[in-house]
Amino acid sequence: EPEVTQTPSHQVTQMGQEVILRCVPISNHLYFYWYRQILGQKVEFLVSFYNNEISEKSEIFDDQFSVERPDGSNFTLKIRSTKLEDSAMYFCASSENSGGAEADTQYFGPGTRLTVL
Amino acid sequence: AQTVTQSQPEMSVQEAETVTLSCTYDTSESDYYLFWYKQPPSRQMILVIRQEAYKQQNATENRFSVNFQKAAKSFSLKISDSQLGDAAMYFCAYQGGTGANSKLTFGKGITLSVRP
Repeated sequence: EPEVTQTPSHQVTQMGQEVILRCVPISNHLYFYWYRQILGQKVEFLVSFYNNEISEKSEIFDDQFSVERPDGSNFTLKIRSTKLEDSAMYFCASSENSGGAEADTQYFGPGTRLTVL
Repeated sequence: AQTVTQSQPEMSVQEAETVTLSCTYDTSESDYYLFWYKQPPSRQMILVIRQEAYKQQNATENRFSVNFQKAAKSFSLKISDSQLGDAAMYFCAYQGGTGANSKLTFGKGITLSVRP
């Protein structure tokens, strides 16, 4: 069964450093998302991406964040200068564009645990 | 803005018994989708079940079923014949139908433990 994959599973970085989190969405999916979950809290939407553009972003997704689809398979989240409060689990998700009137289910990757020291 | 409320932080069920997890939401939209996701200790988010708001019939997936009350804006998950592997955090999520593939809004989650 196809699945979303994410690397690395755990990233430790120093405050102020740049990190890039990588995701490989399901191959026929066209919508991509990043969510984050601070330990013990709910999952929060960061950004959605379609047709090489950001579709929607939350207030959390400020200028320190960026997303990119550098090739036909990867989808990345970059945090330019990490802060302590960026420590969280980051989930990538994807959904297909079935072309119908209904929204497609989002399938999540296993997450990357980011620890900022 | 849409909100999702899961007011019970924890629940416990005996193995083989049935448990119901509650969720309410607030929205002004008429078309939307509701989901339950499971998050085991590995922290992966796994889709459990999906409900389209326009469908009157409650969704069912094997031992998992929902009780969708649109007027009351309630969306509970029933797990029948609970198994040890059902122990996890369960999140209720809302997705608006106004834009294709719009964001998910999650509740705070509920931790379900299963007693052997």
